[in-house]
Amino acid sequence: DTEVTQTPKHLVMGMTNKKSLKCEQHMGHRAMYWYKQKAKKPPELMFVYSYEKLSINESVPSRFSPECPNSSLLNLHLHALQPEDSALYLCASSKDTSGRILPLQYFGPGTRLTVT
Amino acid sequence: AQTVTQSQPEMSVQEAETVTLSCTYDTSENNYYLFWYKQPPSRQMILVIRQEAYKQQNATENRFSVNFQKAAKSFSLKISDSQLGDTAMYFCAFMKHAQGGSEKLVFGKGTKLTVNP
Repeated sequence: DTEVTQTPKHLVMGMTNKKSLKCEQHMGHRAMYWYKQKAKKPPELMFVYSYEKLSINESVPSRFSPECPNSSLLNLHLHALQPEDSALYLCASSKDTSGRILPLQYFGPGTRLTVT
Repeated sequence: AQTVTQSQPEMSVQEAETVTLSCTYDTSENNYYLFWYKQPPSRQMILVIRQEAYKQQNATENRFSVNFQKAAKSFSLKISDSQLGDTAMYFCAFMKHAQGGSEKLVFGKGTKLTVNP
């Protein structure tokens, strides 16, 4: 099983709403990632969790709040978003290789978020 | 900081022909990895091919091969016998080597490839 799943596939929310994106993998990977991708642009890293601990935060605004409740699950909590936050949000995971072998990142299909 | 440059925003190729996508990168690291990802209209990012910088041999995966020139910091992708299903955005990506393995991917801006029947 080399699948990363994301729910929902599409989400429309108002600027005052609170919503969450969910990402799940059952490959035993211990690193999980959130990327943001605007239309016709490359993905940009937001957060990295390694062994359920936040290891990289790319100076993301606090209206995005990540959570990693266990090794298989990664959430992204959204609150008071702006229209410019509309984008495709991609989740990825990789095996912790301790630097011994190439760390492949497997991507989920993404959640298309629209903020109105 | 690492940067990845893809100088061809769009390319097209006839079905069954060969096409090469360019990628250059800038880094002071000596140990790193390079990748080509494909993103079709469905938006799923799919790994096409990868290369470890310490390996001199160019990676190949069926119809896909790379020309890795470490000194020139160049990493081009060659697609042979192009198929309609190869139509997608192609991203070149860089990752530096790290002990934990959980490092960020730095992407180029992408090349939109269209395979024409």
